[in-house]
Amino acid sequence: NAGVTQTPKFRVLKTGQSMTLLCAQDMNHEYMYWYRQDPGMGLRLIHYSVGEGTTAKGEVPDGYNVSRLKKQNFLLGLESAAPSQTSVYFCASRLNEKLFFGSGTQLSVL
Amino acid sequence: AQKITQTQPGMFVQEKEAVTLDCTYDTSDPSYGLFWYKQPSSGEMIFLIYQGSYDQQNATEGRYSLNFQKARKSANLVISASQLGDSAMYFCAMREGMFSGGYNKLIFGAGTRLAVHP
Repeated sequence: NAGVTQTPKFRVLKTGQSMTLLCAQDMNHEYMYWYRQDPGMGLRLIHYSVGEGTTAKGEVPDGYNVSRLKKQNFLLGLESAAPSQTSVYFCASRLNEKLFFGSGTQLSVL
Repeated sequence: AQKITQTQPGMFVQEKEAVTLDCTYDTSDPSYGLFWYKQPSSGEMIFLIYQGSYDQQNATEGRYSLNFQKARKSANLVISASQLGDSAMYFCAMREGMFSGGYNKLIFGAGTRLAVHP
């Protein structure tokens, strides 16, 4: 049982470039989330989804877009990367009160 | 004001001993949830334990227990019989309100780094 899988694990972008982070879960969970983790700030919610075809904004959504075309996949896109988006990104799915996290993506924007 | 306060940046404990990691929280919402997550050096976030504000008993999950003192607004994590693999960063987090439409904004503390010595 793979749980929540994120790809890629590491990425370096130049300012203005675009990219998509992929999150896949095999637990049939309805709810999925994207967080970013910055030093001393814990995790902050970017976007979330309550089911296939639905997405909603979280705490820090600016500069990001998401899509949930299939229940098992939740994509996070950066259309024009900025240095402020350098962070570690975590995807999670939820069952009841428990969040299952992926292993994270370290993104650096130069 | 800080919503979640973890006053111990770092803790040391001898293997097989118990250790308590402190967490205090601040909220005026009567419904909330408290969580502890473990982040090893490999980077993943691992759910440890959950306590709801209306739960009558302290939560326990194996070697982990949450010492919930509602009047004092504290939610300390107790790890019994520490193991070398417990060395990690530990985050306390709070969700204010009941789950509403899937929104899951967790407010995290700054974390406590635990080192278990043999």
